[in-house]
Amino acid sequence: AQSVAQPEDQVNVAEGNPLTVKCTYSVSGNPYLFWYVQYPNRGLQFLLKYITGDNLVKGSYGFEAEFNKSQTSFHLKKPSALVSDSALYFCAVREIGDYKLSFGAGTTVTVRA
Amino acid sequence: EAQVTQNPRYLITVTGKKLTVTCSQNMNHEYMSWYRQDPGLGLRQIYYSMNVEVTDKGDVPEGYKVSRKEKRNFPLILESPSPNQTSLYFCASSIDRNQPQHFGDGTRLSIL
Repeated sequence: AQSVAQPEDQVNVAEGNPLTVKCTYSVSGNPYLFWYVQYPNRGLQFLLKYITGDNLVKGSYGFEAEFNKSQTSFHLKKPSALVSDSALYFCAVREIGDYKLSFGAGTTVTVRA
Repeated sequence: EAQVTQNPRYLITVTGKKLTVTCSQNMNHEYMSWYRQDPGLGLRQIYYSMNVEVTDKGDVPEGYKVSRKEKRNFPLILESPSPNQTSLYFCASSIDRNQPQHFGDGTRLSIL
């Protein structure tokens, strides 16, 4: 069975500081990994994905994530956070060859001015 | 405009009264899926469809039905809704299972 853990319910940072949202996963085989963001009263929006290749993935709005197979992690990062980055962030995993997609519980990010 | 459209956006109903939440996408996507979002639990997959007439259970299928008679539509059916199905529901679609999903804006269901 596949699963995702987002160990922090909330992350608070000051504008201009680095932002990190943590994600660890569990799959039997190799993973496809995704990050999505949700703004209030909206559906989820895709940020970035890892399938194969370079462990550092760059995505939308200046976000990036690093795939670490030995630590089974896929942490989301942004070098300099903006107030507009305040939202709910979800990590998701699919095991290669499967059709199911599993999401973490989500991390609420608050960036203060 | 490429989009996933869900209807209704909000619904308050009573236990046992059958309801259908519609989902339609205009991107010719093969893969479609339904999720429910509950506080502290994130999104949990209810059902997914790989293509027309091909559907399978996700992690929380009990109490739900789906059908995929046309590529663009993937309705979610609650035959006999119960209060524990009160939740925020999302439909999503993608070109195939490996590509990022496009999400609808959600349907908030309250079952009294």
